Amino acid sequence: VVTQEPSVTVSPGGTVTLTCGSSTATVTSSHYCYWLQQKPGQAPRTLIYDTSKKFSWTPARFTGSLLGGKAALTLSGAQPEDEADYYCFLSYSSSSNWVFGGGTRLTVL
Amino acid sequence: EVRLVESGGGLVQPGGSLRLSCAASGFTFNTENMNWVRQAPGKGLEWLSYIGKTGEIIFYADSVKGRFIVSRDNVKNSLYLQMNSLRAEDTALYYCARGYGAAWLYDWGQGTLVTVSS
Repeated sequence: VVTQEPSVTVSPGGTVTLTCGSSTATVTSSHYCYWLQQKPGQAPRTLIYDTSKKFSWTPARFTGSLLGGKAALTLSGAQPEDEADYYCFLSYSSSSNWVFGGGTRLTVL
Repeated sequence: EVRLVESGGGLVQPGGSLRLSCAASGFTFNTENMNWVRQAPGKGLEWLSYIGKTGEIIFYADSVKGRFIVSRDNVKNSLYLQMNSLRAEDTALYYCARGYGAAWLYDWGQGTLVTVSS
């Protein structure tokens, strides 16, 4: 099971860290963690892959890392448009299985 | 412009079958891995299946293993998901997602809705 905070609130301009844990093991770079953003009525958009790598469209204020045995997505300088659901996605390559976390609803308020 | 367009969704009775398609354009389809992901109404994302660029490497989530079959036609630039023995819990929006380089989930389609109900 991949665990995420169900909901988190951040103030505009503030900093927040979302985490992604695994019930079976410490999350490491071998889980190749992805972070996705999904806004209501839209398809997901992948922001981060391989723990910390960004795409050309990933805003600089998003950073992926490993933190305290979990994967983490840090948003520095939250904007109203960052309000969305965020999902992490972990690889369990030893069992040929890939699993999404349950998602975190981020509110910018 | 990269486009991924899913189709084939609809209403199907429990126990029935459905074949989803994902038409790809704007990139070299036969060089990229592909995935199917679904999202039940009001719920989170669920990874279903991966198929490598040649179709030789395939993985499934346990929830669909033995019922769903992924395939691709690199001549038609299309990805498919054959869904058999459908259950109410398979009701969801089904997305195809393109890989690119080391990234498995790079581009996403808009999804096609599958409803399993009598």
